[in-house]
Amino acid sequence: QVQLVESGGGVVQPGRSLRLSCAASGFTFSSYGMHWVRQAPGKGLEWVAVISYDGSNKYYGDSVKGRFTISRDNSKNTLYLQMNSLRAEDTAVYYCAKDGHYGPLAVLYYYGMDVWGQGTTVTVSS
Amino acid sequence: EIVLTQSPGTLSLSPGERATLSCRASQSVSSSYLAWYQQKPGQAPRLLIYGASSRATGIPDRFSGSGSGTDFTLTISRLEPEDFAVFYCQQYGSPPKYTFGQGTKLEIK
Repeated sequence: QVQLVESGGGVVQPGRSLRLSCAASGFTFSSYGMHWVRQAPGKGLEWVAVISYDGSNKYYGDSVKGRFTISRDNSKNTLYLQMNSLRAEDTAVYYCAKDGHYGPLAVLYYYGMDVWGQGTTVTVSS
Repeated sequence: EIVLTQSPGTLSLSPGERATLSCRASQSVSSSYLAWYQQKPGQAPRLLIYGASSRATGIPDRFSGSGSGTDFTLTISRLEPEDFAVFYCQQYGSPPKYTFGQGTKLEIK
């Protein structure tokens, strides 16, 4: 079945780095854009970043721009999020999600994020 | 930057009742770019509606979406016990950018 499994979360000190991974299965990973979305404790959802199906286009939320890098390895069916210069406000559950559009990121219609992982928790604390 | 404001913050209803959740955008949004999600405690969000009114795969027909411009609505026609959760609207915009509303909690009365 279609599945996304995140890993790599943990407790990290402010200013340090962490890399999250998201292993995909059950669909043609290389044909879909992929997102990272986070949720701080007791708060709502915040979109973090998106990468196109081939990795050629990447976009970021304002709060992580310049600090986080999204990437993918289609040969390994894996999505990554490199998080540098971490801050306390980056503490959250991080979800990876599959874009609902086959091929390039849709510009005329948005099909939503139709598959989500279970999330991995990142805690930034000294 | 478009801001999505959801109301009410909390909605208390009983099973069998009709639920109406609102999502208002700070400026006009194409209905093609509006989605709704459901999130239960301890679980990942689930896509309910995309394109403002199209149900995602496997979503029961008691869930429906409508609206245009700045006002969008998620309606649950007859609440089932498993429907109680937090609901988020989301819009897609340029460059791409994806914005969520703050959520509406639907609780059992």
